[in-house]
Amino acid sequence: EVQLQESGPGLVKPSQSLSLTCSVTGYSITSNYWGWIRKFPGNKMEWMGYISYSGSTSYNPSLKSRISITRDTSKNQFFLQLNSVTTEDTATYYCARGRIIGGYFDYWGQGVMVTVSS
Amino acid sequence: EIVLTQSPTTMAASPGEKVTLTCRASSSVSYMHWYQQRSGTSPKLWIYETSKLASGVPNRFSGSGSGTSYSLTINSMETEDAATYYCQQGSSYPNTFGAGTKLELK
Repeated sequence: EVQLQESGPGLVKPSQSLSLTCSVTGYSITSNYWGWIRKFPGNKMEWMGYISYSGSTSYNPSLKSRISITRDTSKNQFFLQLNSVTTEDTATYYCARGRIIGGYFDYWGQGVMVTVSS
Repeated sequence: EIVLTQSPTTMAASPGEKVTLTCRASSSVSYMHWYQQRSGTSPKLWIYETSKLASGVPNRFSGSGSGTSYSLTINSMETEDAATYYCQQGSSYPNTFGAGTKLELK
């Protein structure tokens, strides 16, 4: 069974970088697409970006200057880095497997809540 | 970017009642996908490619629509269906989500 697990600090200071890891078991990240999605307080959800089976990336234009998604295929993990965070980046962050045909997300991690605060 | 507008924002339904949630897109999309999220858990794929039920989803659920107008229907509301439902489109960059419909049990 495909399982995803996010990990990383739950508290980040303003202007610093947010770094999260998604560990995948039961499926190789060299297939399909692997994305980051966040849910803000108040329930708005935002697709942040993904890394493909080949290592190419696509980002939400609203984040393009601040976001980087990378991977380590040897560990079957992919990573999110979001730079210059503000309190508006406070959210629950999810990693998910994306299907290119149709563009939906069929497996999700349990989510990690990240608070940006000094 | 394509904006998805879900309605209603919240609603309550009695057991056995038929429920319809709608999602309207600001421009035409090829497919609509739906997720169910219960409090404290991660979203679950519920309906994909407009009308296909994800694994384990009861057949009292159905999805339909095309172009800019899509819907999720529950034929007969059950207690376990109380949750927030989000629509999502992945056919136009960037992927976008609706704001969700919170469905409560009456």
